[in-house]
Amino acid sequence: EVQLVESGGGLVQPGGSLRLSCAASGFTVSSNHMNWVRQTPGKGLEWVSSIYSGGNTYFADSLKGRFTIFRDNSKNTLYLQMNSLGAEDTAVYYCARRFYSEGRGYRHAFDIWGHGTMVTVSS
Amino acid sequence: SYVLTQPPSVSVAPGQTARITCGGNNIETKSVHWYQQKPGQAPVLVVYDDSDRPSGIPERFSGSNSGNTATLTISRVEAGDEADYYCHLWYSSSDRYVFGTGTKVTVL
Repeated sequence: EVQLVESGGGLVQPGGSLRLSCAASGFTVSSNHMNWVRQTPGKGLEWVSSIYSGGNTYFADSLKGRFTIFRDNSKNTLYLQMNSLGAEDTAVYYCARRFYSEGRGYRHAFDIWGHGTMVTVSS
Repeated sequence: SYVLTQPPSVSVAPGQTARITCGGNNIETKSVHWYQQKPGQAPVLVVYDDSDRPSGIPERFSGSNSGNTATLTISRVEAGDEADYYCHLWYSSSDRYVFGTGTKVTVL
């Protein structure tokens, strides 16, 4: 079964760091374009970061260089390293796979999502 | 940055048609995707590339994109369609993904 499972969320103090993990099953993370999306409680979705199969990375401007996205191919796992966290980073963080269509290649839609992991930044 | 604007809410009676709009500058030049999100659950892709459906998504879900507005249409609405819906696209000018503000669909 194709599946993504996030972990690593929790309570962290302002200015602290946290590393989120996203373990994949049923497909290979390194062969796919992967993404992180967050959702503030009761609010909408916000794209955070992407890493392409070739290794190129992209980040939302609002992050101001505080986050890093990377993967461990041996563990088939995607990560999001978050530093200098503030209250504005409190959210549910989802990892998601970019959709690949047979015959048409990669589309910019996200077809597989994890269940999300909650990050709370508070003193 | 590129902004996608959706109506906060849409109400529809069972069996009727719900139309959810997503407004953006010259959005017809971009590929728009739509997600359904029920409370406490992850988003589910229901339409990609303006009007295509992933496998397993009912034909009642359809999409279109013209001018400055993309539209998700849900025909023969059922109680189970009650959810939040988000539009989404890749803004190639700045290599960024953008999500719409979201629309809560209420089935009366």
